[in-house]
Amino acid sequence: ILNVEQSPQSLHVQEGDSTNFTCSFPSSNFYALHWYRWETAKSPEALFVMTLNGDEKKKGRISATLNTKEGYSYLYIKGSQPEDSATYLCAFIDAGGYQKVTFGIGTKLQVIP
Amino acid sequence: GAGVSQSPRYKVTKRGQDVALRCDPISGHVSLYWYRQALGQGPEFLTYFNYEAQQDKSGLPNDRFSAERPEGSISTLTIQRTEQRDSAMYRCASSLGGPQGEQYFGPGTRLTVT
Repeated sequence: ILNVEQSPQSLHVQEGDSTNFTCSFPSSNFYALHWYRWETAKSPEALFVMTLNGDEKKKGRISATLNTKEGYSYLYIKGSQPEDSATYLCAFIDAGGYQKVTFGIGTKLQVIP
Repeated sequence: GAGVSQSPRYKVTKRGQDVALRCDPISGHVSLYWYRQALGQGPEFLTYFNYEAQQDKSGLPNDRFSAERPEGSISTLTIQRTEQRDSAMYRCASSLGGPQGEQYFGPGTRLTVT
């Protein structure tokens, strides 16, 4: 069983505040890391696919960084808006024979207007 | 274009019955994944296919669960002799090619075993 942890499990921020959260994963056998945004009653939607150590990806106000050597990725949201409220999932893909996908339990973000 | 579709969207079955859940991936997507999702939790990997070949089934909980994708497109997840603990949301996802590609998720099938 691969250990993929996300922290915090939930957080509340005020509209306009910037925030960040963490995904930790095994530092060995890294293949790729995905970030997904999941709104209640909908399906997860892909935000980023990250494959290289030092990768930085950005989509609007959301960005992510990747450190494969130490086994973590940060997701940043600048100037949070109420529509950013969702659960943010990371998924670790290991480089073992079958590239298994392991999701974290997610960080639930609530942006308060 | 059409996204990933799943059917049925909701399934209520009695304990001991078999169920078959269908996933229709995005046309042309090579990889197809099945996940189980408990309420409020992230997806739990079950199995995945590249084309028609099942690459990894290590996440299937036991031998009552099986999946197939005979023609490399539509996939069926079958649960035999259902038990109450099988109740969950079952989601499938597809990606253009391999686990590096972002996955597009279907709406899920909510299975309730009574």
